[in-house]
Amino acid sequence: EAGVAQSPRYKIIEKRQSVAFWCNPISGHATLYWYQQILGQGPKLLIQFQNNGVVDDSQLPKDRFSAERLKGVDSTLKIQPAKLEDSAVYLCASSQGIPSPLHFGNGTRLTVT
Amino acid sequence: QKEVEQNSGPLSVPEGAIASLNCTYSDRGSQSFFWYRQYSGKSPELIMFIYSNGDKEDGRFTAQLNKASQYVSLLIRDSQPSDSATYLCAVNPRNQFYFGTGTSLTVIP
Repeated sequence: EAGVAQSPRYKIIEKRQSVAFWCNPISGHATLYWYQQILGQGPKLLIQFQNNGVVDDSQLPKDRFSAERLKGVDSTLKIQPAKLEDSAVYLCASSQGIPSPLHFGNGTRLTVT
Repeated sequence: QKEVEQNSGPLSVPEGAIASLNCTYSDRGSQSFFWYRQYSGKSPELIMFIYSNGDKEDGRFTAQLNKASQYVSLLIRDSQPSDSATYLCAVNPRNQFYFGTGTSLTVIP
């Protein structure tokens, strides 16, 4: 079974620039999550999709972050414009649905200079 | 109040000893509990999960739930240097996943 695929693995941008991350979940997993993990902290949920609908985006900074999952499969997370404090690892995870566990991709390490 | 709280450590144990990691959760309605291991620079990987109906053992790992006190523990028997990592506890009340900040474990050869 192929795991969760994410790209790119690393990205370095200057503040005020834009960036996009891509995620392809495990086949058949209806639920997809984007997490932000700052060094030394646990993953923080940004947005949760069920198929192509948003379940929870209460912690997504909507003035600069956006995410979509148009066909209920892969997803894109965008930041525009980026701030220094956005430097973190962005993790995508998928699951078959509650109460099944999450499976994470390798993550994208973002550095904003 | 945070949904999940963990002692950040670091926790150090000698090789071969039992490592005990704990986390507390705030929502009494939580029904399932997860332990993830995260090596430095890597993404979290699932170790094991339990439901509210009982404890679970898988090889050297045992997950235990104390519903009355609202905490979950992970025991690692015969600890190995390769177990050195950060261990994340997660719960999923209200169809959402919440993670603790993780406990750093070092197994000393």
